[in-house]
Amino acid sequence: DIQMTQSPSTLSASVGDRVTITCRASQSISSWLAWYQQKPGKAPKLLIYKASTLESGVPSRFSGSGSGTEFTLAISSLQPDDFATYYCQQYNSSSCSFGQGTNLEIK
Amino acid sequence: EVQLVESGGGLVKPGGSLRLSCAASGFTFTAYSMNWVRQAPGKGLEWLSSITSSSSYIYYADSVKGRFTISRDNAKNSLYLQMNSLRAEDTAVYYCARLAGYSLPLDYWGQGTLVTVSS
Repeated sequence: DIQMTQSPSTLSASVGDRVTITCRASQSISSWLAWYQQKPGKAPKLLIYKASTLESGVPSRFSGSGSGTEFTLAISSLQPDDFATYYCQQYNSSSCSFGQGTNLEIK
Repeated sequence: EVQLVESGGGLVKPGGSLRLSCAASGFTFTAYSMNWVRQAPGKGLEWLSSITSSSSYIYYADSVKGRFTISRDNAKNSLYLQMNSLRAEDTAVYYCARLAGYSLPLDYWGQGTLVTVSS
């Protein structure tokens, strides 16, 4: 099974900051990586897929990069609505797997 | 509008069984693979199972293999998860989610249904 490791687990930032979250795969997954945003009590929302393709309707301040085993989610200028938990997910194999999540909190 | 609505959650004793349902609408259900994902209280997301559009291929996470069974009824636009031999660690919110397509991620999720396993 492919293990996904996110860092950091918690990230404190202010409105307007640029932040990055890293996701590492235990083996190469090419570009088969997605990022999701989840708010308390809500279902996850797809932000980015194929490592860097923005889902329709997602603000352009979100961007993704990487391939192989190392990936990054960047948010260029944090807005109040962006404080949430972010998960990466690999879908390279028939069984997908998620990172443990990064809680983005207000400093 | 794509909608996925889970039901069937509740309180069940250890060793018991429960069947979750997911009613799909707003898209051609027969064209999409579907998945179940769960989230234990305060924890991260855990993929459980997937089923292709015609039920030809089914996959499970090791944590539920042999205890959980995924199925679908395309005539009823519904997805199911039969859960047997439930344990305390199965306590979670269970989500159904649509696979966007081949080599694509989960693009639509339901609101989730809570399963609590406790004596």
